[in-house]
Amino acid sequence: AQSVAQPEDQVNVAEGNPLTVKCTYSVSGNPYLFWYVQYPNRGLQFLLKYITGDNLVKGSYGFEAEFNKSQTSFHLKKPSALVSDSALYFCAVRDAGNFNKFYFGSGTKLNVKP
Amino acid sequence: DSGVTQTPKHLITATGQRVTLRCSPRSGDLSVYWYQQSLDQGLQFLIQYYNGEERAKGNILERFSAQQFPDLHSELNLSSLELGDSALYFCASSSDRGSYNEQFFGPGTRLTVL
Repeated sequence: AQSVAQPEDQVNVAEGNPLTVKCTYSVSGNPYLFWYVQYPNRGLQFLLKYITGDNLVKGSYGFEAEFNKSQTSFHLKKPSALVSDSALYFCAVRDAGNFNKFYFGSGTKLNVKP
Repeated sequence: DSGVTQTPKHLITATGQRVTLRCSPRSGDLSVYWYQQSLDQGLQFLIQYYNGEERAKGNILERFSAQQFPDLHSELNLSSLELGDSALYFCASSSDRGSYNEQFFGPGTRLTVL
């Protein structure tokens, strides 16, 4: 079965510091991994995805994610956090057996303090 | 703005009632996905349609049903509502021209069952 786990319910970081939001996955076959962000009272917005190729994927708003096959991880990173980055972040995996299904992690709330 | 629209934004109803949520996908997208987001269960995939046909089912209750119409808009019908059905319901669309495409989410419909 396909699944993703986000081990941290909440991450706190000071503005200007680097941030990491963790995600681990479990899939059969090649992983197709995604990160989404949700601001209060809004729908999810796509940030970036890993399909194949370079392990470091760059996305919107200065975010990037590092794919690590041996550790089955796909952590979201940003070199310098902004207060406006405070939101709920979701990792997702597309089912390799049925591309029509997505599985989302439980979400990590990122708090960036001034 | 993702280009996906959902109506209504808010819905308040009583237990035992039936409601219909509506979604219009982005222009050109043939796939529509429905998700339920509740506080205790995170984001749960319900069902997916592609060009009018059901393609994948997730954790959708028998009291819930959906369809996609020839103009590609979709409706999610929830019947015999229970208190536990109170949640945010999201629709997402995707072009699905390849298996790697991300989804674009609508702003959601907040359902409150009293």
